[in-house]
Amino acid sequence: GNSVTQMEGPVTLSEEAFLTINCTYTATGYPSLFWYVQYPGEGLQLLLKATKADDKGSNKGFEATYRKETTSFHLEKGSVQVSDSAVYFCANSGAGSYQLTFGKGTKLSVIP
Amino acid sequence: GAGVSQSPSNKVTEKGKDVELRCDPISGHTALYWYRQSLGQGLEFLIYFQGNSAPDKSGLPSDRFSAERTGGSVSTLTIQRTQQEDSAVYLCASSLGQGKETQYFGPGTRLLVL
Repeated sequence: GNSVTQMEGPVTLSEEAFLTINCTYTATGYPSLFWYVQYPGEGLQLLLKATKADDKGSNKGFEATYRKETTSFHLEKGSVQVSDSAVYFCANSGAGSYQLTFGKGTKLSVIP
Repeated sequence: GAGVSQSPSNKVTEKGKDVELRCDPISGHTALYWYRQSLGQGLEFLIYFQGNSAPDKSGLPSDRFSAERTGGSVSTLTIQRTQQEDSAVYLCASSLGQGKETQYFGPGTRLLVL
């Protein structure tokens, strides 16, 4: 079955620091990969996605590249802001499947 | 346009009571999903509806949980004889179709069973 493993949090960074949140997955076939973000007091929002190998998803300065050879989809941002403080979830949907399988979430706190 | 809406936003109930949670998907979305977000288990898939097809109930944790979707739009998740371990945030999502389509989530219903 599908699974997603992402780095444990919480992660605390200073403003303008570089961010990496690691995510690896297992799935049959060629899944789609997603990063969702949950800001304090809000619902889950799609941050970015990639649907095939070597695709790069990007949004709001965040990027993640679908790496089939390492089964990874690490989230990166070159310079974080206080407003990026949130919980980040990596997820996949298996080929021919529709339910999302989520990682446990990584809480990011960015301090001024 | 309007996103996915859920009601109520918060629900407090006593152990043993039944509860109904409602989801209004994005207009035109044929697929609807229910997930549960709890501290111990993270985000878990519960059930999936696609058009008029039979739902995929494989994620429902017990027979106390059921869901229906009337007219291919609004969905209701019902939990009978609630237990304290049912306390969680119940999330609804919808998408244009199945497979690689992006799922858009509602704000959730926070359920607390006393």
